[in-house]
Amino acid sequence: EVQLVESGGDVAQPGGSLRLSCVASGFKFDDYAMHWVRQVPGKGLEWVSLITWDGSFSSYADSVKGRFSVSRDSSKNSLYLQMNSLRAEDTALYYCAKDSGVKAAAGEMDYWGQGTLATVSS
Amino acid sequence: QSAPTQPASVSGSPGQSITISCSGTSSDVGSYNLVSWYQQHPGKAPKLIIYDVTKRPSGVSNRFSGSKSGKTASLTISGLQPEDEANYHCCSYAGSSTWVFGGGTQLTVL
Repeated sequence: EVQLVESGGDVAQPGGSLRLSCVASGFKFDDYAMHWVRQVPGKGLEWVSLITWDGSFSSYADSVKGRFSVSRDSSKNSLYLQMNSLRAEDTALYYCAKDSGVKAAAGEMDYWGQGTLATVSS
Repeated sequence: QSAPTQPASVSGSPGQSITISCSGTSSDVGSYNLVSWYQQHPGKAPKLIIYDVTKRPSGVSNRFSGSKSGKTASLTISGLQPEDEANYHCCSYAGSSTWVFGGGTQLTVL
């Protein structure tokens, strides 16, 4: 059974940093690209970032480019999102999601975690 | 990276069919057959129900179908059931390894 478990959500001050983690199980983590998607409670989804299966390439939404950085550790079956220079508008539930394509990002996200809440407030 | 436009809400009675639109631009929906749809019940994670505009993942009911015309993608749910009441989100590839979600649509089954 595929499982994705996020953690690391917390309260941070504007300008501060948070590091989110996502531990994957039930599939061959090394074969799949991974996404981060966020959602302000009660609002729509916003795609945040992609990292390829081998970690060689990453991409970001304009809203977070230059401030967020995605990485992965295959030895720990883990995905990370380093969030710097945080703003109030970064407050959201952050989901990690598995891409469906094997060794190539297909774009559709076939498994999702339950999310971790990051709050940016002074 | 502007979000495709979805109606804020739609409603239908059990057994009826409804369609949710996802209006994008020539930079996303209009340029790629890479539109997916997600169902999200309150307090739950999204679930993939349509990908590549028209394809259904294994286990998803054939009451869900997708289509696209020009810059607008659509999700149709036939034979509405009470458990279909949820939020529905479209997502399109937007080029340069980026994706964009629509604003989401709340479906109410009357």
